Amino acid sequence: GENVEQHPSTLSVQEGDSAVIKCTYSDSASNYFPWYKQELGKRPQLIIDIRSNVGEKKDQRIAVTLNKTAKHFSLHITETQPEDSAVYFCAALKPLVSGGYQKVTFGTGTKLQVIP
Amino acid sequence: GAGVSQSPRYKVAKRGQDVALRCDPISGHVSLFWYQQALGQGPEFLTYFQNEAQLDKSGLPSDRFFAERPEGSVSTLKIQRTQQEDSAVYLCASIEGASYNEQFFGPGTRLTVL
Repeated sequence: GENVEQHPSTLSVQEGDSAVIKCTYSDSASNYFPWYKQELGKRPQLIIDIRSNVGEKKDQRIAVTLNKTAKHFSLHITETQPEDSAVYFCAALKPLVSGGYQKVTFGTGTKLQVIP
Repeated sequence: GAGVSQSPRYKVAKRGQDVALRCDPISGHVSLFWYQQALGQGPEFLTYFQNEAQLDKSGLPSDRFFAERPEGSVSTLKIQRTQQEDSAVYLCASIEGASYNEQFFGPGTRLTVL
């Protein structure tokens, strides 16, 4: 089955600096990679996603890169702000032959702290 | 309409008790997932429905866990003879179609087994 590893588990940055979180996956059939932000006691919220036919995607201060050959993808947050402080999860999804998704596998999470 | 809703939001059960957790996905969403999230961990996949069909239940940790979605909308996750290790937040998520797209998560049900 799929195995998703996420690093680092905790990350502290100064406000205005960049933050990078990395994930690796094992199953080459996985083709959709979302990133979620989860604040304490809240539900995960999708912040950006990337599909396997794309190498990079950017949305304002957030970007995701994907290296299919190496089976890793990364989240980049630039100009960090205190409100970016949260736990971030990566995930990998692979399609069923019949359509739909099977066994969404999440990373173990990165607790990001942005210090004002 | 509204987003994904779950009930109850909090449930305290005595060990050995049966519990039922409800998920109301966004109306019309075809795909529905259940996850278990232990404190400080990422969500762990439990099961996946496409309409009323349970296409994958390989993440259910034991035969005490059972999920259903009989009419392809509301889903119920049932846990029989609860154990302390079942204590976690149970998240439900839905997707509009059958193919990949944004998962919308519910607020979760925090289950505490005493």
